[in-house]
Amino acid sequence: DTEVTQTPKHLVMGMTNKKSLKCEQHMGHRAMYWYKQKAKKPPELMFVYSYEKLSINESVPSRFSPECPNSSLLNLHLHALQPEDSALYLCASSPNKGGGYNEQFFGPGTRLTVL
Amino acid sequence: QKEVEQDPGPLSVPEGAIVSLNCTYSNSAFQYFMWYRQYSRKGPELLMYTYSSGNKEDGRFTAQVDKSSKYISLFIRDSQPSDSATYLCAMSSNTGNQFYFGTGTSLTVIP
Repeated sequence: DTEVTQTPKHLVMGMTNKKSLKCEQHMGHRAMYWYKQKAKKPPELMFVYSYEKLSINESVPSRFSPECPNSSLLNLHLHALQPEDSALYLCASSPNKGGGYNEQFFGPGTRLTVL
Repeated sequence: QKEVEQDPGPLSVPEGAIVSLNCTYSNSAFQYFMWYRQYSRKGPELLMYTYSSGNKEDGRFTAQVDKSSKYISLFIRDSQPSDSATYLCAMSSNTGNQFYFGTGTSLTVIP
């Protein structure tokens, strides 16, 4: 199974809502990532979990809160978002071979709209 | 100077053409090189993954890495309309904490 799944596919939320994005992989990968992607731009790294520990937080605002309950699951909790946070949110995983974050496999993304 | 430079295109070719997509980089620590294909409103799909210099072929796709010139290429032979997408190069080092995407090249293959 070489698949990363993400739910929901689409999410519309108001600025006062609290919601969560979910990501799952069953490839035995030990690194998992959250990215944000705006239209016609490459993905921007938000967070990296390596062996279920947060290893990179790219100065993301606290209204985004990641969680890694186990080696297969990754959540992104959203609270008090702004309209400019509307984007495609991508989850990825990688084997973490060779010490680097290479060979990342991406999920289909969650398209988030903040009203 | 950006870590990874990629011509954004757009690139438009007739069906059956050979397509050449390229990226240059500045960091000699990069050891792993990847090409992703992304269809509109979908997640990136890993197409090719190479380590260090050399060529790798998979069907109609060939990835080339020239570390001495800090230059990587993706060739698509016999291009098809279904190849129309944005192609992103990406690269990383051995020591982690460094993973960079190019800006992506938009490709359209015209039937």
